[in-house]
Amino acid sequence: QVQLVESGGGLVKPEGSLRLSCAASGFTFSDYYMSWIRQAPGKGLEWISYISFTGSTIYYADSVKGRFTISRDNAKNSLYLQMNTLRAEDTAVYYCARGGRHCGGGSCFWFDPWGQGTLVTVSS
Amino acid sequence: QSALTQPASVSGSPGQSITISCTGTSSDVGAYNYVSWYQQHPGKAPKLIIYDVSDRPSGVSYRFSGSKSGNTASLTISGLQAEDEADYYCNSYTSSSTPYVFGTGTKVTVL
Repeated sequence: QVQLVESGGGLVKPEGSLRLSCAASGFTFSDYYMSWIRQAPGKGLEWISYISFTGSTIYYADSVKGRFTISRDNAKNSLYLQMNTLRAEDTAVYYCARGGRHCGGGSCFWFDPWGQGTLVTVSS
Repeated sequence: QSALTQPASVSGSPGQSITISCTGTSSDVGAYNYVSWYQQHPGKAPKLIIYDVSDRPSGVSYRFSGSKSGNTASLTISGLQAEDEADYYCNSYTSSSTPYVFGTGTKVTVL
């Protein structure tokens, strides 16, 4: 079945860095745009980035632009999020999700499925 | 890009129908038929229940339906069941520099 599994979360100090990974299985990874979405504790969802099939097209939310970098390795069926200069307000559960604009010749302006999430805590 | 506006909470009795609104602008909800809805139970990842305004993914109950009028999208849950108690979020593609925006979220309580 289609599955996404995030890893790499943890406790990091302000101004620190962290790299999240998302392992995909059960579908042709290279046929889908992929996204990262986060949720601060007790708060709503915030879309933060998507990447195209080959990584040639990337978009970020203004809140993370210049600090976060999304990437993918289609040979490894993996999605990544490099997070630098972390702030307390970046504390959240980070989800990877399939979708974002295009998929296998069609459009995928939705996110499905989502991984279980990985918690990032930014605190001194 | 501001979040789409949803009511904080909606409640109903089992068997009733409820509707959750999602109000945006002419740059997001009003501009595209790319509104999706997600259901999130406590401690769980969100689940897609409606995409492209009114389409239902395979396996999602027919009791969930979506619509849109102008800058406002709506999710209707008919025949409310205890398992429908969850948080619901809308999402829309936008023409801004941030391509997607979520709604503020609605907590549905089954009385």
